[in-house]
Amino acid sequence: DAKTTQPTSMDCAEGRAANLPCNHSTISGNEYVYWYRQIHSQGPQYIIHGLKNNETNEMASLIITEDRKSSTLILPHATLRDTAVYYCIVRAASGGSYIPTFGRGTSLIVHP
Amino acid sequence: DTGVSQDPRHKITKRGQNVTFRCDPISEHNRLYWYRQTLGQGPEFLTYFQNEAQLEKSRLLSDRFSAERPKGSFSTLEIQRTEQGDSAMYLCASSLVIGTGFDEQYFGPGTRLTVT
Repeated sequence: DAKTTQPTSMDCAEGRAANLPCNHSTISGNEYVYWYRQIHSQGPQYIIHGLKNNETNEMASLIITEDRKSSTLILPHATLRDTAVYYCIVRAASGGSYIPTFGRGTSLIVHP
Repeated sequence: DTGVSQDPRHKITKRGQNVTFRCDPISEHNRLYWYRQTLGQGPEFLTYFQNEAQLEKSRLLSDRFSAERPKGSFSTLEIQRTEQGDSAMYLCASSLVIGTGFDEQYFGPGTRLTVT
């Protein structure tokens, strides 16, 4: 799997958009970008994934640059419950190895 | 609750003892993963099963570690002769993958192991 680089920590005001960046400059053509988050003392939770196009679901939006070397997870209206560690990982969707590398992630603190 | 469950949630053991953890995946999920997570780090992959077959093992999985998934349902992770360095959160995840489809992993709450 390609490695990712994320800021160690970020903070955001409640109700504002939280934009979490991720660099994955060595991503391969068949690798997807996945985002998970982990709230304290819980297991990670899947948020969203994408290949080339921007994606949106009920939790977040994922913006992937045209060269696919970086992406941004957007939480449009952050709440206190969004305080968590956010992990960006890249992995092949099928065929080859399915070993995801989580890294240290970004610790997002949403404050009132 | 139909999510991934793990048992026990906490385990304290003395160095040199053997421990076994259990993971019950979401019903009919064909993939099951084990991860280890230490404080301040992201989850580290240990191994995964496709049904009952163990397909990948990390170098982190030393000879003291063994995992099984009989009948492709629940899984157990055993650590023999525990060491203090084994203290960590052990996470289990499951997913349903059909053909070359997307692999969305659902994680359990984890088992926190403390080796004294």
